[in-house]
Amino acid sequence: DIQMTQSPSFLSASVGDRVTINCKASQNINKYLNWYQQKLGEAPKLLIYNTNNLQTGIPSRFSGSGSETDYTLTISSLQPEDVATYFCLQHSSRPNTFGAGTKLELK
Amino acid sequence: QVQLQQSGAELAKPGTSVKLSCKASGYTFTSYYIYWVKQRPGQGLEWIGYIYPGNGGTYYSEKFKGKATFTADTSSSTAYMLLGSLTPEDSAYYFCGRDGGALLAYWGQGTLVTVSS
Repeated sequence: DIQMTQSPSFLSASVGDRVTINCKASQNINKYLNWYQQKLGEAPKLLIYNTNNLQTGIPSRFSGSGSETDYTLTISSLQPEDVATYFCLQHSSRPNTFGAGTKLELK
Repeated sequence: QVQLQQSGAELAKPGTSVKLSCKASGYTFTSYYIYWVKQRPGQGLEWIGYIYPGNGGTYYSEKFKGKATFTADTSSSTAYMLLGSLTPEDSAYYFCGRDGGALLAYWGQGTLVTVSS
């Protein structure tokens, strides 16, 4: 199985900050990488698919980048409503595997 | 609009089984995969596998083979996951999801399973 190492596990930032979250795959996943946001008590929500494609309805302050084994989710200007846990998911090969998550809090 | 409505919370004893449901609406049920994901409270997400209702084809992550069984009823547009031989480690939220131009673009609200004697 492909292992997804997500970092950091916890992140504290201020409103307006630029925030980056990383996922590293144990092998090349050819940009088959999605990002999800999960708020407390809710189901995950798709933010970015296939590395850098913004899902419909998601604010443009969210963006994704990366290739081969290294991928990044960036929030260009953190808003209070972005407080959540963020997960990456590789779907290059089965079984698909998630990163362990990054809990984002306001400073 | 696409909706996935999951069944209510379950309380089960160790060694028993529970059958969770995921009722789909707003699209052609037989045309899209239904995925299942596990999340223990306060923890990360685990990909269990999927079923394709169009032909009943299934795939299970190795960890969940023998634990989870997927079925689908096309007459009611409902997918099911049977969890057997329950242990406390099976206590978790279980989500169903669907593609929508991207993997897991749509999610159900989740079902909480609690295994306790």
